[in-house]
Amino acid sequence: NAGVTQTPKFQVLKTGQSMTLQCAQDMNHEYMSWYRQDPGMGLRLIHYSVGAGITDQGEVPNGYNVSRSTTEDFPLRLLSAAPSQTSVYFCASSYSIHTEAFFGQGTRLTVV
Amino acid sequence: KQEVTQIPAALSVPEGENLVLNCSFTDSAIYNLQWFRQDPGKGLTSLLLIQSSQREQTSGRLNASLDKSSGRSTLYIAASQPGDSATYLCAVIKAAGNKLTFGGGTRVLVKP
Repeated sequence: NAGVTQTPKFQVLKTGQSMTLQCAQDMNHEYMSWYRQDPGMGLRLIHYSVGAGITDQGEVPNGYNVSRSTTEDFPLRLLSAAPSQTSVYFCASSYSIHTEAFFGQGTRLTVV
Repeated sequence: KQEVTQIPAALSVPEGENLVLNCSFTDSAIYNLQWFRQDPGKGLTSLLLIQSSQREQTSGRLNASLDKSSGRSTLYIAASQPGDSATYLCAVIKAAGNKLTFGGGTRVLVKP
């Protein structure tokens, strides 16, 4: 079972570059979300989606963009990378917002 | 604002000893609480989910209790093994919430 798959696992960007973090799930889950994990800050919600075509902002959405064209995929776009976006990014999915959440293996991003 | 606290931040026990991990939350109006395990450099693995109407949930050597009125959950791991060494995170979601609110985690080391 693939579960939640994130690519890439590691990425180094220069300030100002853009990139897309990929997230795919094969469990037919409606709810998907992106978190970032930083030392001392814990996990914080960036954006989430309750189904294809529906997205909304979380706690720390600035500098990030999302779209949800299919149930399976929920990519996260960094529009113009900044050093403050250096973090580990996790994608999660669940059947609904209140059911068991499953996480991907994470993408470790460094912005120099 | 919901706050989730896990104390202690780190714990070291000899192999075979039972582990007791604590999670407290400030707003008792939660829908459910989920315990996760995170190995270094890896994603979060779901261990147990407790609905707000439940008092406890068990899976193998793991048992999680929930006292919603006092804002506390405890994860018990029986007969700890070195393979249980990891960071354990708890997270809650409110009935009208759109995200999991995470605690800072407890880093566990089980010594052989």
